[in-house]
Amino acid sequence: KAGVTQTPRYLIKTRGQQVTLSCSPISGHRSVSWYQQTPGQGLQFLFEYFSETQRNKGNFPGRFSGRQFSNSRSEMNVSTLELGDSALYLCASSLAGGVLRSYEQYFGPGTRLTVT
Amino acid sequence: TQLLEQSPQFLSIQEGENLTVYCNSSSVFSSLQWYRQEPGEGPVLLVTVVTGGEVKKLKRLTFQFGDARKDSSLHITAAQPGDTGLYLCAGGHFGNEKLTFGTGTRLTIIP
Repeated sequence: KAGVTQTPRYLIKTRGQQVTLSCSPISGHRSVSWYQQTPGQGLQFLFEYFSETQRNKGNFPGRFSGRQFSNSRSEMNVSTLELGDSALYLCASSLAGGVLRSYEQYFGPGTRLTVT
Repeated sequence: TQLLEQSPQFLSIQEGENLTVYCNSSSVFSSLQWYRQEPGEGPVLLVTVVTGGEVKKLKRLTFQFGDARKDSSLHITAAQPGDTGLYLCAGGHFGNEKLTFGTGTRLTIIP
């Protein structure tokens, strides 16, 4: 099976612009989660989508948003970019759906966003 | 807020030595996952433990979940340069895909 893919791998944007990142999960996986990784804060949960619905949301401002399509592919959008948004954005997919177990999450290679 | 503290933060040892990385929390988790991440790449899942006291072995790596499901350890025997990377623990709860990640341990194995 192909792994989680993310596009683009690298992105340079200017403050005030907006950006859209894309994630294609492993075939058959229904849950997609997004994380932000920075040297200072580590890996922080942004949000999770399951069956096109946002199920969980982390503690990030409303400038960060996402969506999931019927084929489970997901996009996240950051509007009005700030210098502090520079980070590695990681997408993870899992089978999910169960309440009595944890499903393993598999990460993509990430999108490195640099805001200047 | 659930926090996972890892220790040590940095570790540099000679090839062939043994090491242990710790992951501690004041909160109980349903499951605990360990990942290894290399520069510029996403974390790669190593193991998932779900039962208090559980021990899992993956070749030279031994993972243990604390009895109270609040802490975990990763022990590497006879470390090799290929073990170099950022090791991350992550706690999860059944029915919830959100993972709370540890602070990370950056391991360097010197040939």
